[in-house]
Amino acid sequence: DIVMTQSPSSLAVSAGETVTINCKSSQSLFGSVRQKNYLAWYQQKPGQSPKLLIYLASTRESGVPDRFIGSGSGTDFTLTISSVQAEDLANYYCQQYYDTPLTFGSGTKLEIK
Amino acid sequence: QVQLKESGPGLVQPSQTLSLTCTVSGFSLTSNSVHWVRQPPGKGLEWVGAIWSGGSTDYNSALKSRLSISRDTSKSQVFLKMNSLQTEDTAIYFCTRSPGSYWGQGTLVTVSS
Repeated sequence: DIVMTQSPSSLAVSAGETVTINCKSSQSLFGSVRQKNYLAWYQQKPGQSPKLLIYLASTRESGVPDRFIGSGSGTDFTLTISSVQAEDLANYYCQQYYDTPLTFGSGTKLEIK
Repeated sequence: QVQLKESGPGLVQPSQTLSLTCTVSGFSLTSNSVHWVRQPPGKGLEWVGAIWSGGSTDYNSALKSRLSISRDTSKSQVFLKMNSLQTEDTAIYFCTRSPGSYWGQGTLVTVSS
């Protein structure tokens, strides 16, 4: 199974700051046929279902604010949230869908100071 | 519009079998895959398994010996069956349409005598 290592497990920032969440996979998520990385980022607010933010490592889902940026390739990926807002309070998860079984990172809890 | 809704018993006794149904609308099961994801209270997301558009299935490595996912395309329903339930199977169970843009609201399953 592909292991997804996510860091940090939690962080607290003030509104307006920039946040970086890291996700490392135990093997490359780069598919040679489509030349894409099969990595997604989800946001889960308290009491809600997860929401897809980013897929193919860097493609923003429709309606997701452009302050959410996904980057990286191969085994190392980053979710950057620029100018964090109070509404961004949530848990964030990476997920690989390069191979089955699909696997999630352990999550990052974002708190707003 | 696309919708998914989980249903099933809220309480299951240890060693018994869990049966959940995901009823979908707004899309065809023969053109889309449906995944099950679970989340123990206060913990992270765990991919449980999937049934692909062609009807094949894949399962979480740790659960596959106890797990079965099937579907009834005529009723737009996907089924999850997991046997030999233990307290650690207590979780919110979500169904989601790949690639994760649409999720059900989840159903809490408590394993307790």
